[in-house]
Amino acid sequence: EAGVTQSPRYAVLQEGQAVSFWCDPISGHDTLYWYQQPRDQGPQLLVYFRDEAVIDNSQLPSDRFSAVRPKGTNSTLKIQSAKQGDTATYLCASSFSNNQDTQYFGPGTRLLVL
Amino acid sequence: GDQVEQSPSALSLHEGTGSALRCNFTTTMRAVQWFRKNSRGSLINLFYLASGTKENGRLKSAFDSKERYSTLHIRDAQLEDSGTYFCAAEAFSGSWQLIFGSGTQLTVMP
Repeated sequence: EAGVTQSPRYAVLQEGQAVSFWCDPISGHDTLYWYQQPRDQGPQLLVYFRDEAVIDNSQLPSDRFSAVRPKGTNSTLKIQSAKQGDTATYLCASSFSNNQDTQYFGPGTRLLVL
Repeated sequence: GDQVEQSPSALSLHEGTGSALRCNFTTTMRAVQWFRKNSRGSLINLFYLASGTKENGRLKSAFDSKERYSTLHIRDAQLEDSGTYFCAAEAFSGSWQLIFGSGTQLTVMP
């Protein structure tokens, strides 16, 4: 069974540039999560979907960040105008919404904003 | 404040020895997951617990939601156990979410 895949693996930007991250969850998983992990910290939830619906985006900086999952499968996270403070690893995870919502993580995208 | 407090932040062990990592929670959590970050930077699932204990090889984890803590015990540590370990607990904050600890950097020495 293929795991969660993400691309690109690395991105380097100047401040003000835009970037998109792509995630392909485990087949059959209805729930998809995006996390931000600053260096030397634990991941912090940004947004999550069940199928194509946003369940919680309260921690997503809505002025510059957006996330979509139009068909309830793959998802894209976009940063419109990157800032140095966005430097972090962006992790995607997926799970199946039964009683045990074990989350499986992708390898992440390491973003450096100069 | 932080809902998940993980300790220690760093731990050094000699091969063949063991120790425990701990996460304390400031509120009642529904379940806990433990992860290890592998050499490629991916978070690998170790355990999911809604209660009680689970064991897998040289690793054993416990979760007590009433006492608000979880532990991860490592015995007979091997060099390949080195890495960063995270606990994450399910908390309700508008919706059910995983709240991560800050991680434990484990170094196993020959």
